Amino acid sequence: GAVVSQHPSWVICKSGTSVKIECRSLDFQATTMFWYRQFPKQSLMLMATSNEGSKATYEQGVEKDKFLINHASLTLSTLTVTSAHPEDSSFYICSARGGREATGELFFGEGSRLTVL
Amino acid sequence: GEDVEQSLFLSVREGDSSVINCTYTDSSSTYLYWYKQEPGAGLQLLTYIFSNMDMKQDQRLTVLLNKKDKHLSLRIADTQTGDSAIYFCAEKTGGYQKVTFGTGTKLQVIP
Repeated sequence: GAVVSQHPSWVICKSGTSVKIECRSLDFQATTMFWYRQFPKQSLMLMATSNEGSKATYEQGVEKDKFLINHASLTLSTLTVTSAHPEDSSFYICSARGGREATGELFFGEGSRLTVL
Repeated sequence: GEDVEQSLFLSVREGDSSVINCTYTDSSSTYLYWYKQEPGAGLQLLTYIFSNMDMKQDQRLTVLLNKKDKHLSLRIADTQTGDSAIYFCAEKTGGYQKVTFGTGTKLQVIP
């Protein structure tokens, strides 16, 4: 199946700093990528939809100035958590639409665990 | 709006069958999915079913869909310890973009 890679897989940062997470589609072009957030023992919550060459679409309640998304190419989307605080600590997972388009199959990255001290 | 619910936990003995259930509310669902998440990892697509189907079988996995009751289930035959993980059902509704995930069911397989 299609491969989606995230980097870094885990990161620890100090409160107030910014952290960038990359999501790459390795063997296909992804015009659309999705960013999810998962708290411990909870489901995935869609944060935003990232479209190549245009602004991301954020879900209700997600601060677009805090979670900056850039989808500069067909294989790369980045999520930057700006001025991170401990409550931003979470597991961030990206996905990309690939394979048979009619099914909207989503392939997921390995996830990035962010810990803000 | 979309709402997808699952039971939180299921424990089975190795070799038995596991059945994970999911209910959803949006009748306009087009595709329904089952994903597997192992600890600390991303999600792996296991299987999916189109909403006009009522059953799909793929090796040890059987998906049953009752569209009238908005109920989806995943049966894993001959459950193995490697099947221990969290299983998420998800639905794709109307618009092409959005997929809504269930709360996840943690499957524990006892040797």
